[in-house]
Amino acid sequence: QVQLQESGPGVVKPSETLSLTCTVSGGSVHIFHWSWIRQAPGRGLEWIAYVSYGGDTAYNPSLKSRVAISLDKSRRQVSLNLTSVTAADTAVYYCARGRSKESAWLDTWGLGTPVTVSS
Amino acid sequence: QFVLTQPPSASGTPGQTVTISCSGSTSNIGQNFVCWFQQFPGTAPKLLYREDQRPSGVPDRFSASKSVTSASLAISGLRAEDEADYYCAAWDDSLTAVVFGGGTKVTVL
Repeated sequence: QVQLQESGPGVVKPSETLSLTCTVSGGSVHIFHWSWIRQAPGRGLEWIAYVSYGGDTAYNPSLKSRVAISLDKSRRQVSLNLTSVTAADTAVYYCARGRSKESAWLDTWGLGTPVTVSS
Repeated sequence: QFVLTQPPSASGTPGQTVTISCSGSTSNIGQNFVCWFQQFPGTAPKLLYREDQRPSGVPDRFSASKSVTSASLAISGLRAEDEADYYCAAWDDSLTAVVFGGGTKVTVL
């Protein structure tokens, strides 16, 4: 059964770049799409981006200028970089597997990794 | 703020049916399937429904439907263990992005 494990720095300083990694185990990275979603404290879910096995990407328009997502097939890792972070980027960041392109069909989620933006 | 609109809260007594609405537009719900997610405090969301299909393991007390640009999730035979936050989501063709509702907190009285 596929498992997703997010990892990140925990704390990032304002204006710096946040780098997150999601490691996929127990399943294939083929065919599927891989998304990042975040949830600020006490708030709802916000989709950030996805990358497909074939390299297609899509981004939340509100974050597009600051975000880059990539898939390392050999390492089975999905990476997310978010530049120029502010306190508004403080959230739990989740990695999720998408079953089809251009859909919200996110059938498997990681446990999430908390990120705090603070000096 | 959220592209899909959900009521912030819903409640019912054990055994009752609670229905959560999700309102969107022709660019999202009107053109693409809706997914529902369940989230307990401090845990990751879990896929509850994809359009009209429940993943294995999801009780049949949960049912979902869609009409034009709105969707709904019904929980029948409400149980204390159903207390959670519920989110709807869909792909938006105009934004070319996944959009979520703001979430509905279900309380069992």
